[in-house]
Amino acid sequence: EAQVTQNPRYLITVTGKKLTVTCSQNMNHEYMSWYRQDPGLGLRQIYYSMNVEVTDKGDVPEGYKVSRKEKRNFPLILESPSPNQTSLYFCASGTYRAGGELFFGEGSRLTVL
Amino acid sequence: AQTVTQSQPEMSVQEAETVTLSCTYDTSENNYYLFWYKQPPSRQMILVIRQEAYKQQNATENRFSVNFQKAAKSFSLKISDSQLGDTAMYFCAFMTGTNDYKLSFGAGTTVTVRA
Repeated sequence: EAQVTQNPRYLITVTGKKLTVTCSQNMNHEYMSWYRQDPGLGLRQIYYSMNVEVTDKGDVPEGYKVSRKEKRNFPLILESPSPNQTSLYFCASGTYRAGGELFFGEGSRLTVL
Repeated sequence: AQTVTQSQPEMSVQEAETVTLSCTYDTSENNYYLFWYKQPPSRQMILVIRQEAYKQQNATENRFSVNFQKAAKSFSLKISDSQLGDTAMYFCAFMTGTNDYKLSFGAGTTVTVRA
């Protein structure tokens, strides 16, 4: 089954404790991206990757890191989480087709205390 | 930068009735794509419908249709014969026609279908 898999789905952590949210896709997509969803703001792009070893900032990259060492994986790293990073996070992937559909993971609910 | 505005935070509709969700956007691009995504309580993001800006014909997917007004930069979604399973948050989203696959989202509209 074609899918984007995120882990963990739920996480409660404390300020400053490094964490990684993993994302893996099995559709051989070149493009992958991370979004965060906050009430009243919709989804906003954090980082994206056009291919292996190619990453770039989105609209709200502060406090996040990413890496793309393999085509299928695109982890999101919070080196020192803060309460303002409490949010719902989505990973998405897609092919290089103008206006092509992005496929989303099921979301990861992160709470930073 | 593109902005997407959904002015209706919440809407309620009776089962089998029709509801229309509004979306406006701001862009200087001439070639772009517009989307409506559905997010049910499961949180999964599901593509509902897609419109290419260079096509004048409005997109339709079963009970879902759009009214695309390019000059007015308006992209409304109509849900006909509403069903309980349509209860969800709906997001309008914009993507440029260049090699940029970023989706810019509106704030969302929560639709509740009443039995």
